[in-house]
Amino acid sequence: GQQLNQSPQSMFIQEGEDVSMNCTSSSIFNTWLWYKQDPGEGPVLLIALYKAGELTSNGRLTAQFGITRKDSFLNISASIPSDVGIYFCAGRGGSQGNLIFGKGTKLSVKP
Amino acid sequence: NAGVTQTPKFRVLKTGQSMTLLCAQDMNHEYMYWYRQDPGMGLRLIHYSVGEGTTAKGEVPDGYNVSRLKKQNFLLGLESAAPSQTSVYFCASSYYVGTAYNEQFFGPGTRLTVL
Repeated sequence: GQQLNQSPQSMFIQEGEDVSMNCTSSSIFNTWLWYKQDPGEGPVLLIALYKAGELTSNGRLTAQFGITRKDSFLNISASIPSDVGIYFCAGRGGSQGNLIFGKGTKLSVKP
Repeated sequence: NAGVTQTPKFRVLKTGQSMTLLCAQDMNHEYMYWYRQDPGMGLRLIHYSVGEGTTAKGEVPDGYNVSRLKKQNFLLGLESAAPSQTSVYFCASSYYVGTAYNEQFFGPGTRLTVL
């Protein structure tokens, strides 16, 4: 079956630093989504990507749909303490178009 | 709009007991999903529904049943709970997938412990 590899698994950074994380898949995706999950809450959609090469921003967050359609990247600029959480990538795959989720990147920000 | 709501938020069961988790959405979405989240495993799809009266199996369906009698509600049932079903359960809903748009919106989760 289709698999998503998300890296890194966790990150410990200083406030103000930039953050990069990525996801790679074993097959081509038509949609990439990035979610953030705060402790005790459900995932919240951050950015949605629908075309290869697409670059989309949401405030300090920027995500890109890889040209090969097998990867996606999320960057967070000038991190702040409220960026703490788990970030998930998700790609649309399967005959029914269900999403496949990465295992998440846990971000910790040190003030 | 309340979005996606889930009840209950917490539940503790004994092995062999049964229960039903309720998910409701007020966005008129066609598609609804049930996931479980375990540490280090990400989100895994249990069952999903593409419309009222229809359901289908996801990645990890064993031990669960679902029903979609009304478009806005999606129920997840555990007939005989097992400790392996201790997890956090999330419901999600999305627009019709035919246009390739599949942004899923999640509920706040139900934390289930099976003793």
